[in-house]
Amino acid sequence: DAGVIQSPRHEVTEMGQEVTLRCKPISGHDYLFWYRQTMMRGLELLIYFNNNVPIDDSGMPEDRFSAKMPNASFSTLKIQPSEPRDSAVYFCASSLQSGAKKYEQYFGPGTRLTVT
Amino acid sequence: SQQGEEDPQALSIQEGENATMNCSYKTSINNLQWYRQNSGRGLVHLILIRSNEREKHSGRLRVTLDTSKKSSSLLITASRAADTASYFCATDRTGGGNKLTFGTGTQLKVEL
Repeated sequence: DAGVIQSPRHEVTEMGQEVTLRCKPISGHDYLFWYRQTMMRGLELLIYFNNNVPIDDSGMPEDRFSAKMPNASFSTLKIQPSEPRDSAVYFCASSLQSGAKKYEQYFGPGTRLTVT
Repeated sequence: SQQGEEDPQALSIQEGENATMNCSYKTSINNLQWYRQNSGRGLVHLILIRSNEREKHSGRLRVTLDTSKKSSSLLITASRAADTASYFCATDRTGGGNKLTFGTGTQLKVEL
């Protein structure tokens, strides 16, 4: 398996622009997680899905952030409008719902977002 | 806020030495995991220990868990330069689905 795929790997945008981050989880995984990592705040869980349904979005910082999972193989995280404080590395991760490895999360390479 | 706190924040050792990192958490857990993150990369799962286990080994890794103290330690024996990375503990709770709460991480540098 190719692992979790994220695109783009790097994104530089101006304040006020819309940003869309994309994630393809590992085939067969039931959970999908979006995280944000910064030096100041560490690794924060933004939202996670189970079988394409959002379960917990309490980590989404503001209404400017939204996430969708239209099918089992694709998810997006959108920021509109973007602000400089959104600059961070955004990770997508996936995991299984059952079995011996059900709690292990597999992370993508991340998208480094810079908002100027 | 992060549930887990790693200690130390940074650790520098010589190749061949052992590295020990500690993690403390606040609430009851089901499992505790350790992840490694190389610079510019995503996190990689290393090892999982269940709440009813006290010690677990995997290769050069040894993990201990003390649920009474709500703490865990990760020992890397005979460290190598390739072990240079950040190490994070992560916990999950009963009824929390597969949701993990990550600690703040320990930056390990192994020098030749």
